[in-house]
Amino acid sequence: GAVVSQHPSWVICKSGTSVKIECRSLDFQATTMFWYRQFPKQSLMLMATSNEGSKATYEQGVEKDKFLINHASLTLSTLTVTSAHPEDSSFYICSAQTGRGNSPLHFGNGTRLTVT
Amino acid sequence: QKEVEQNSGPLSVPEGAIASLNCTYSDRGSQSFFWYRQYSGKSPELIMFIYSNGDKEDGRFTAQLNKASQYVSLLIRDSQPSDSATYLCAVNVANDYKLSFGAGTTVTVRA
Repeated sequence: GAVVSQHPSWVICKSGTSVKIECRSLDFQATTMFWYRQFPKQSLMLMATSNEGSKATYEQGVEKDKFLINHASLTLSTLTVTSAHPEDSSFYICSAQTGRGNSPLHFGNGTRLTVT
Repeated sequence: QKEVEQNSGPLSVPEGAIASLNCTYSDRGSQSFFWYRQYSGKSPELIMFIYSNGDKEDGRFTAQLNKASQYVSLLIRDSQPSDSATYLCAVNVANDYKLSFGAGTTVTVRA
């Protein structure tokens, strides 16, 4: 149980284009999902908390107009990187909790984004 | 001070030995503690979680929590080459469900 599916697993795009990443909880409902970014040899940095049916909560320093998050249902959250630049190249990982409060996070397989 | 600190490693242990990983955290109100394993190029996978002081064992893994000293550790017994990975310590932010991650400790098990 507790499977989180993320798609695509990798994507290459040109500067100025937008990329959408999907995160699905396959066998549970997730009212809250989290989006992380990880640069090489660094730890995970929380970008935003995605809440079903409401606006996402962004961490300090993360541009909400650049990283659009939509949590349209209890099993799907999407992250759209708009007007991508080479510095946006990173490993993006979504995660979800099976329960509330302090239950463990389960991660998707991640999306490696390369902006040329 | 970083919220979650781990010994940076890398940690190299021979096959069959015990690997010991340490993690300290700054927020006394934290209640939930997690260890994740991350292979190179992959996303993290949950290894252990612990909420109460003391030891928690799961197979070859033992998590130890000491809230008074604000540290949590992970022991890997009978280390195998497949245990070679980066281990991330994660701690919840007090009164919140968000997790703060340490920088990770890279473990290499020598065959």
